[in-house]
Amino acid sequence: KNEVEQSPQNLTAQEGEFITINCSYSVGISALHWLQQHPGGGIVSLFMLSSGKKKHGRLIATINIQEKHSSLHITASHPRDSAVYICAVTQGGTGTSGTYKYIFGTGTRLKVLA
Amino acid sequence: ETGVTQSPTHLIKTRGQQVTLRCSSQSGHNTVSWYQQALGQGPQFIFQYYREEENGRGNFPPRFSGLQFPNYSSELNVNALELDDSALYLCASSLGGGRFGEQYFGPGTRLTVT
Repeated sequence: KNEVEQSPQNLTAQEGEFITINCSYSVGISALHWLQQHPGGGIVSLFMLSSGKKKHGRLIATINIQEKHSSLHITASHPRDSAVYICAVTQGGTGTSGTYKYIFGTGTRLKVLA
Repeated sequence: ETGVTQSPTHLIKTRGQQVTLRCSSQSGHNTVSWYQQALGQGPQFIFQYYREEENGRGNFPPRFSGLQFPNYSSELNVNALELDDSALYLCASSLGGGRFGEQYFGPGTRLTVT
């Protein structure tokens, strides 16, 4: 079983729909990241979360530390949102030298139709 | 402020050879992480360098090694190349050894091993 699981694996939506992508993890973390990868490989960091909720434009990310679960929401989806969305968690880091790890989820391939 | 750059863009090597990939971090960032992404797969964490020291490592053999320089740029070296090393190699820079701030990804180097 992967330490970071995402659902769904694939998602097709109509333009304007509200979209939710879920991420569950089974390990202790220092932070959770949501990333966007477009065809061709470029990765953009959308959010870094350690608690609560963050919003940026039409994107909202939430995390529930007790339940080890995070969601990424896209409001008023648009064809340009079509990409692979990746949840990743980090362990360790500054002050715990040598222990840093970055664990990626399986990714959710989103296609938004016009 | 310059973004994260990687060189070369593409590279073709023969099995058994050695390769060096380079990454220049975003201005002000002191942490560089390297990732391998095989075709159709999600990224895998190779290692992270913080203030010129390896700060964490994923499940990669010792023939994957790295360096970080005083200006925080970084190199990834792979010895004794194998066919399975063919992948997109991504670097990302951040601040604070992984605990603080989001990661900024470079465009990647696509390595083909024949």
